Amino acid sequence: KAGVTQTPRYLIKTRGQQVTLSCSPISGHRSVSWYQQTPGQGLQFLFEYFSETQRNKGNFPGRFSGRQFSNSRSEMNVSTLELGDSALYLCASSLTGSSGANVLTFGAGSRLTVL
Amino acid sequence: GQQLNQSPQSMFIQEGEDVSMNCTSSSIFNTWLWYKQDPGEGPVLLIALYKAGELTSNGRLTAQFGITRKDSFLNISASIPSDVGIYFCAGYSNSGYALNFGKGTSLLVTP
Repeated sequence: KAGVTQTPRYLIKTRGQQVTLSCSPISGHRSVSWYQQTPGQGLQFLFEYFSETQRNKGNFPGRFSGRQFSNSRSEMNVSTLELGDSALYLCASSLTGSSGANVLTFGAGSRLTVL
Repeated sequence: GQQLNQSPQSMFIQEGEDVSMNCTSSSIFNTWLWYKQDPGEGPVLLIALYKAGELTSNGRLTAQFGITRKDSFLNISASIPSDVGIYFCAGYSNSGYALNFGKGTSLLVTP
């Protein structure tokens, strides 16, 4: 079955702009999590969505937001981009999410560069 | 999230050698996972561990869930060039909802 699909794979924005990233989870997976990966901070949890509701949130400013649609597809948005937002944004899906035996399957990521 | 300390940060070895890396946490974890990430790709799950003391193999890879529940180990036997990549430990603590990651071990294998 198809894996986790993220679009776009690469994008370049300038400071102050906003960006929307998309994630299509594995069919049947209802939980979608987003992570930011940078060389300095590693993989950091942004938020998790389940059944169109944000269930958990990491320690990121309000400029980072997301949503999930009824088909479990998810989008994340970053407004008023800063240079430090340059990163690989990873989406991961799982059956039900939130710990335990629900391992995450990751997409290939969206590489965002902010100039 | 919980801080995971992963070591070594990088390894440069010859093909055929065995590799060991480990991960420790400041709190008890109920699940340990090991992922590998290739350049330009997302992390791919290698091994999942769910019980203290559990030892699980996946081909040449073997991982263990530490008895204290605060550590985990990954061993790669007879390394080959395609083992090159970054290996991440990850886990869920009892009170956590987010998968916490170590900073990764970068593995380079020379023929």
